[in-house]
Amino acid sequence: AQSVTQLDSHVSVSEGTPVLLRCNYSSSYSPSLFWYVQHPNKGLQLLLKYTSAATLVKGINGFEAEFKKSETSFHLTKPSAHMSDAAEYFCVFDWGSASKIIFGSGTRLSIRP
Amino acid sequence: EPEVTQTPSHQVTQMGQEVILRCVPISNHLYFYWYRQILGQKVEFLVSFYNNEISEKSEIFDDQFSVERPDGSNFTLKIRSTKLEDSAMYFCASSELTGELFFGEGSRLTVL
Repeated sequence: AQSVTQLDSHVSVSEGTPVLLRCNYSSSYSPSLFWYVQHPNKGLQLLLKYTSAATLVKGINGFEAEFKKSETSFHLTKPSAHMSDAAEYFCVFDWGSASKIIFGSGTRLSIRP
Repeated sequence: EPEVTQTPSHQVTQMGQEVILRCVPISNHLYFYWYRQILGQKVEFLVSFYNNEISEKSEIFDDQFSVERPDGSNFTLKIRSTKLEDSAMYFCASSELTGELFFGEGSRLTVL
């Protein structure tokens, strides 16, 4: 069965340091891949998406993610964290229909001054 | 920039009451969706809607739920007789075709 796992429920980094939010999936074939961000009391905003054009995907606000098929991973990174990055981040996999759009459990990112 | 809008942002209701959550999808989008997120849990798929009918629904979407596109712009989710466990954030989404979903800011439902 398909599944998506976000390995950390909470990540805390200092402002100006790198961010790594980990996501792995389990499937016999490659899905479409997304990262969404949810700021407090806000909706889900698309950060970036992988559509097989390139394995390294650049998104908004300086975030990027790399699709590694051999590791079935799609980790989200940012070189330098900003206070405004504090939010909940969801890794989302689309296996081809609305009911097969599966959200990870989310990672809460905290930024220390 | 076009966006999906949802109303109300927060609704408090008594158990057993009917609730209607409203959504205005992006105007040229063809697919519409409802998801929900119970506090502290994953975002879960409820239903998708295309060409004026339900195209997919999850096990959660039982007979107490219904969706409608009454006037060509609004997309509503009705919960006929709310239960305590219906308390959640409900997200509406729309897409042009399949693929990237555009989400609204959510409607928080609290059932007392």
